[in-house]
Amino acid sequence: GQNIDQPTEMTATEGAIVQINCTYQTSGFNGLFWYQQHAGEAPTFLSYNVLDGLEEKGRFSSFLSRSKGYSYLLLKELQMKDSASYLCAVRVNNAGNMLTFGGGTRLMVKP
Amino acid sequence: GAVVSQHPSWVICKSGTSVKIECRSLDFQATTMFWYRQFPKQSLMLMATSNEGSKATYEQGVEKDKFLINHASLTLSTLTVTSAHPEDSSFYICSAGPTGGAAKNIQYFGAGTRLSVL
Repeated sequence: GQNIDQPTEMTATEGAIVQINCTYQTSGFNGLFWYQQHAGEAPTFLSYNVLDGLEEKGRFSSFLSRSKGYSYLLLKELQMKDSASYLCAVRVNNAGNMLTFGGGTRLMVKP
Repeated sequence: GAVVSQHPSWVICKSGTSVKIECRSLDFQATTMFWYRQFPKQSLMLMATSNEGSKATYEQGVEKDKFLINHASLTLSTLTVTSAHPEDSSFYICSAGPTGGAAKNIQYFGAGTRLSVL
């Protein structure tokens, strides 16, 4: 199976930068995804990495190192609306598009 | 991105009744859809993989007779919680993704269904 770890909670200040880490142990790695989920709502897609390196999309960036089994999601210029849970998910070969999720990181942005 | 519609968004029912939840892909065809369950402050737990035209694949510990899945068309999967009990109260979410195009690797989620069993 897959083992996916991410911090349970983080707190950051409005306007700052925060990095949410995710480590995984899996065989047949075939992509890592980050989703944002506000309380009581469904997850929304943020980013997808399958090759090593940094993917930038506006205020959000995601990094992947396959050799280290490590990814991070970087949020810049934090806004209050960024307070949410951030879910790291891994896809493996021979499992179609099935995703296995980490426990999620609840981010609280304070003024 | 692609759009996945889930209905209803909230349902309250009496213990012993059955509840059907629908998941539709609105602008793409989905041969596979996924059903998740989420308890408060916890992450998503995969319940089953819904396969169009064939039986669903259930994760270990999920009762297939309790959670009936039907994927009768390329745009619709249904999850029926049979003889619901209070412990079945949870947030149920489906996901699906296009098999081609720029978004082919992405899973998109429905809005979720909050089930409360009295």
